[in-house]
Amino acid sequence: DTEVTQTPKHLVMGMTNKKSLKCEQHMGHRAMYWYKQKAKKPPELMFVYSYEKLSINESVPSRFSPECPNSSLLNLHLHALQPEDSALYLCASSQGQRGYNEQFFGPGTRLTVL
Amino acid sequence: DAKTTQPPSMDCAEGRAANLPCNHSTISGNEYVYWYRQIHSQGPQYIIHGLKNNETNEMASLIITEDRKSSTLILPHATLRDTAVYYCIVRRPQGAQKLVFGQGTRLTINP
Repeated sequence: DTEVTQTPKHLVMGMTNKKSLKCEQHMGHRAMYWYKQKAKKPPELMFVYSYEKLSINESVPSRFSPECPNSSLLNLHLHALQPEDSALYLCASSQGQRGYNEQFFGPGTRLTVL
Repeated sequence: DAKTTQPPSMDCAEGRAANLPCNHSTISGNEYVYWYRQIHSQGPQYIIHGLKNNETNEMASLIITEDRKSSTLILPHATLRDTAVYYCIVRRPQGAQKLVFGQGTRLTINP
C-alpha cells in the first residue's frame, strides 16, 4: 500500500463548528505532515510529526490542533475557523529517517469556511 | 534551505522532451535537489532527487551541473498527463523536514 488517504474530500463548515480532518498511511512511515494550500499558491507547511511527536509547528493559529494517535494516523482538529482558512489541506508522510526524504502526499481535503 | 528560481510557465509539444530548468545558486554541499509536480486539484507527487550525479528513474531524468548551481528535469516523451506545476526544491537530508515550495513552473503539454 503506497497511498496516503485523506477524509473527507470536501468539507464545508461554519465559523462556530468543530470538525476534524483525517489522514492515514500504511507504509510504515514515521514522519507525517500537514500542509495548507491556498488557491493558485504553493503548499505551505503547518505541522510535522516525527515518531508520533510534534516536531515542527510553523506558528499556526491555535484554532488548528493536530493530533497523531499512532504512527499511521494524523488528525487535524478545526475549531472557530475564519473564511480565510478556506484552502486545500494536504497530508503527507515520509520514512522519517535521514536520507529518506521523499514525501508522499494525499489528495487533500478541500475546506470551505462560511 | 537554499532558494530556487524557476520560469513561471513553459509549453511543450506532446511526444517531445520537456526540459525544466531550476537555478539554486546558493545550494550548500549537503543539500539535495528534489523535484515534485502537482497535477490540478491533486496532491504533489515526488518525481526524483539527486545530490551531484545525474539521476534517472521511470518518470524522468535529473541533470545537475558540475557546480551544482542549477539543474534540469527532463521528461523524455511528454504526454498530456504531464501537464502540471513542477516544483524544484533544495533541502538537507535530515529525516523529517519540511518542503519549502517555490512558485514552480506551470508546464503545459500541447497536442
